[in-house]
Amino acid sequence: GEDVEQSLFLSVREGDSSVINCTYTDSSSTYLYWYKQEPGAGLQLLTYIFSNMDMKQDQRLTVLLNKKDKHLSLRIADTQTGDSAIYFCAVSGGFKTIFGAGTRLFVKA
Amino acid sequence: GAVVSQHPSWVICKSGTSVKIECRSLDFQATTMFWYRQFPKQSLMLMATSNEGSKATYEQGVEKDKFLINHASLTLSTLTVTSAHPEDSSFYICSARDSVGSGGDTQYFGPGTRLTVL
Repeated sequence: GEDVEQSLFLSVREGDSSVINCTYTDSSSTYLYWYKQEPGAGLQLLTYIFSNMDMKQDQRLTVLLNKKDKHLSLRIADTQTGDSAIYFCAVSGGFKTIFGAGTRLFVKA
Repeated sequence: GAVVSQHPSWVICKSGTSVKIECRSLDFQATTMFWYRQFPKQSLMLMATSNEGSKATYEQGVEKDKFLINHASLTLSTLTVTSAHPEDSSFYICSARDSVGSGGDTQYFGPGTRLTVL
């Protein structure tokens, strides 16, 4: 079946850039999403990209999509302690949206 | 953006009682809503897909008689945990699909409900 994989942890220093990577198997995915989950809260939609795009930038967030390699990344510029959270990659190719296991981002002051 | 609410945000109940959790899409209509369960430090586990006006579709291993789902309107779905036991304690999150918006079939999530069964 379809699968979405992410590394489990990422640790960065405050002010550095964070890059969270995601790979997926379903080549028919049309929309790809990044969600953020803070402790004890639901998932907050950060951004999404359509499969015919290579890049999308939104303030400190940059999403890169390599459709050939089925690789999606989220870059957070000037990472702050408030960015510490779990980041979920999700892909949607029709009725079902498949979520990755989430990457826990630690930001060291 | 689209807002999804859940109520209650947390609930403590005795073993054997039933608990109802509500999920509402506040500013859009959602023909499809999803119920997830999340254990501490783990990812989301999809429990069921709730379609307005029809029966929910449960994922393998999820007891439909244990977790009753009702999607009576385009803005409300409910999950009832029947005869709750301590092993049902978890964080339950709903999401609603906005099929009309520009972001494809984007799912918007509620804030979650933490259930503790004593």
